[in-house]
Parts: sequence; C-alpha cells; structure tokens
Amino acid sequence: KQEVTQIPAALSVPEGENLVLNCSFTDSAIYNLQWFRQDPGKGLTSLLLIQSSQREQTSGRLNASLDKSSGRSTLYIAASQPGDSATYLCAVITDKLIFGTGTRLQVFP
Amino acid sequence: EAQVTQNPRYLITVTGKKLTVTCSQNMNHEYMSWYRQDPGLGLRQIYYSMNVEVTDKGDVPEGYKVSRKEKRNFPLILESPSPNQTSLYFCASLHGGTGELFFGEGSRLTVL
Repeated sequence: KQEVTQIPAALSVPEGENLVLNCSFTDSAIYNLQWFRQDPGKGLTSLLLIQSSQREQTSGRLNASLDKSSGRSTLYIAASQPGDSATYLCAVITDKLIFGTGTRLQVFP
Repeated sequence: EAQVTQNPRYLITVTGKKLTVTCSQNMNHEYMSWYRQDPGLGLRQIYYSMNVEVTDKGDVPEGYKVSRKEKRNFPLILESPSPNQTSLYFCASLHGGTGELFFGEGSRLTVL
C-alpha cells in the first residue's frame, strides 16, 4: 500500500531563507507527483506537476525534483517571503491519489 | 476559465437530513474524485469516477454515495449525515493527458 510522508511537519523561518520540503513515498511505480499549496480554510492550488519520466520542474522561485528509485521528491523554495506561508502538500498519483499530510510553513518578516 | 466548482461552500445541517454537494468541471475531464480533509488525517479519498457511469470506492466511502450521469458533474450524496461527517470536502478532476489535478474551492460541512 502506497504511503506518503512529508517532513518536516512544520517549519518556521525568517524571510529570505532558501527552503527544502521533503516528500517520501513507498511505492516507486507512480504516474505523477504533484505539489500543492493550501492556505487556511481554502482550496488547493497546484504548484508543480512532475510526470514520472521527468526529473524536475521549475516555476519562478519554486523547483521540484523527483527521484522515483529512492521514492523521494523535494520542493525547493528560493528566497522565501511571508506570502509563502501556507501548508504544502504532495500527492502521488498511481491508480489512486495519495496525499501526504503536509508541511505547514511560516515565513516571518 | 478552467475550473472545478463546488456548491454549497458552507453548510450546517442536522443528523439524518439528506444532502447533496454538487461538483462540476468545465475541462471535459474523465476522472473526477471526492476527498475529505480532517485535522491530523490529511486528505482522504471518498469516491472516484473514471468516466460516465463508472464509479469506485476510495479509502473512506462509508456513509456516502456518488453518481456520474454526465461527464461534467459528480455529486456527493450524504443520505443520512452524521456528526462524524463534519469535514472539509474537496472535489477534483484530473487532466488525462498531463495527469494534473484540479481542485474545487472546498465545501465546509457541519453536521449537528
């Protein structure tokens, strides 16, 4: 059974720091992996989608990598800002969609 | 604009009173699914649909029903809601080509 773990569960950093959020999964036979952002009480906003044949995707200050063989994905946030404060979720897509429990990020000025 | 629309966004109801949460997508996606999100438990899949008239149980289907009579709509039905179904519900659809998930804004349901 696929299990998805995100570490750390919570992170509090000063503005300007570069961050790495981790997502681990137990079954490497995945189709895609997608990173989302969720603000409190709100819906999920798609950040980056990495297809199984890809190694990484970039959008602005965000970079996500995928290593299927080791069952890991990382989300790199460069030069963090207070507006980046949110919960970040990874979702592993096989014939089912399994979400990690998220990393709650707070960036303070 | 490509979107997934859920209604209602907020609902307070009482135990046993049937309710339906609607979900509609305008992207012609074949795959749609419902999730509930609870503190400490993350997002858990309730039901999913691979296409019209094709539905299947997710991880937590008890107490819920779904139907998929048209490609764009995937309503979630609570025949007899109970307080343990108080949660934040999300509908999503999947782009078959890219595999990208698109989520609705969420429906916060409280069952008293």
